[in-house]
Amino acid sequence: GNSVTQMEGPVTLSEEAFLTINCTYTATGYPSLFWYVQYPGEGLQLLLKATKADDKGSNKGFEATYRKETTSFHLEKGSVQVSDSAVYFCALSAYSGNTPLVFGKGTRLSVIA
Amino acid sequence: SQTIHQWPATLVQPVGSPLSLECTVEGTSNPNLYWYRQAAGRGLQLLFYSVGIGQISSEVPQNLSASRPQDRQFILSSKKLLLSDSGFYLCAWSASGGGGGYTFGSGTRLTVV
Repeated sequence: GNSVTQMEGPVTLSEEAFLTINCTYTATGYPSLFWYVQYPGEGLQLLLKATKADDKGSNKGFEATYRKETTSFHLEKGSVQVSDSAVYFCALSAYSGNTPLVFGKGTRLSVIA
Repeated sequence: SQTIHQWPATLVQPVGSPLSLECTVEGTSNPNLYWYRQAAGRGLQLLFYSVGIGQISSEVPQNLSASRPQDRQFILSSKKLLLSDSGFYLCAWSASGGGGGYTFGSGTRLTVV
């Protein structure tokens, strides 16, 4: 079946540090890939997505590239801010049908000034 | 534009009491609807999803139930709450047919005492 594996947190970084959160997946066919962010006490928000191999999703300085050869979708940001402190979820969606999204377990990021 | 409403935002209920959480979506037709639970410090657990009125798929057997009485309304219920039902409940919708991402509601923080 489809699955998503994320690096375990928590991740603690200083402001302006480089961020990488690893995400790998197992899927049949050609899934779409997503990163969601959850700020404290809130629901999840879509951060970025990619729908086919070699696509790069980007938003708010975050980027992730859909790598079919390594089945990965790592999240990166060049310079994190305190306001980026949140939980980040990687997810995949089957190519077709109504199968629910498969989420990773989430990675908590804390950025300190 | 599409919006999703979830209420109440917080709820404190005694053990053994009933539960009803409501979620409605505006601006779209025939959405797929989902209920997730997030226990403290844990990932997302898919509880129920629905691809149409009266169609409910249960992912985890427990004392919760879900109903979809109208196209854009999704209700999570329990006849008797347990302490273990405490958590953060999230409703989400996606376009029918799958393959796309979700839009989440703002969540309900349920504390069973």
